[in-house]
Amino acid sequence: QVQLVQSGAEVKKPGSSVKVSCKASGGTFSNYSNYAINWVRQAPGRGLEWMGRVIPMLVISNYAQKFQGRVTIIADKSMSTASMELNSLRSEDTAVYYCAREVGSGTNDWEFDLWGRGTVVTVSP
Amino acid sequence: DIQMTQSPSSLSASVGDRLTITCRASQTIGSFLNWYQHKPGKAPKLLIYGAFSLQSGVPSRFSGSGSGTDFTLTINSLQPEDFATYYCQQSHSTPYTFGQGTKLEI
Repeated sequence: QVQLVQSGAEVKKPGSSVKVSCKASGGTFSNYSNYAINWVRQAPGRGLEWMGRVIPMLVISNYAQKFQGRVTIIADKSMSTASMELNSLRSEDTAVYYCAREVGSGTNDWEFDLWGRGTVVTVSP
Repeated sequence: DIQMTQSPSSLSASVGDRLTITCRASQTIGSFLNWYQHKPGKAPKLLIYGAFSLQSGVPSRFSGSGSGTDFTLTINSLQPEDFATYYCQQSHSTPYTFGQGTKLEI
């Protein structure tokens, strides 16, 4: 059974960068070529917020406008690893960051069927 | 961006109750609507995809319906392990967006 294993908690200073990794354990990200790895965060007391994704087969990433220019999401499909780097950190970036595999038929569904357990990132002076 | 509006934002219920959570999209999204359950300290869990398809391993007391802009998640006969926060999410187009969540409390 494939699991997504994320890197450990981070404490960062404002203005610095953080890189969170996500690795498929017990297999590859997917037995199919048509999937994506997404990153979603949850700030304290807030809901889920989509940050962006990478489609390894196409080597394409796309990002929420809010994070454009500040976030980089990449994946190595041969190594079944993905990462999310967020720059110019501020206190509002304190959150739990999740990676999630996106699969689907494409005709009427795309969904996040497998999630990592989350990485706590704390931004504090 | 497609806005997702969930209601209610919180709900008190009891074991054995039947309840419904609604989600409305700001524009038509076909059936590209998913429901997730999220418990503190855990990863979100996919319950329903494509508006009404039950994810493997999810109990049949969970069901989804709707298409276009209006969707519902129904939980029949609430169990103690169902108390959590529920989110809808549109996957019609990026940026993917979530509803604000519905916190289900005893």
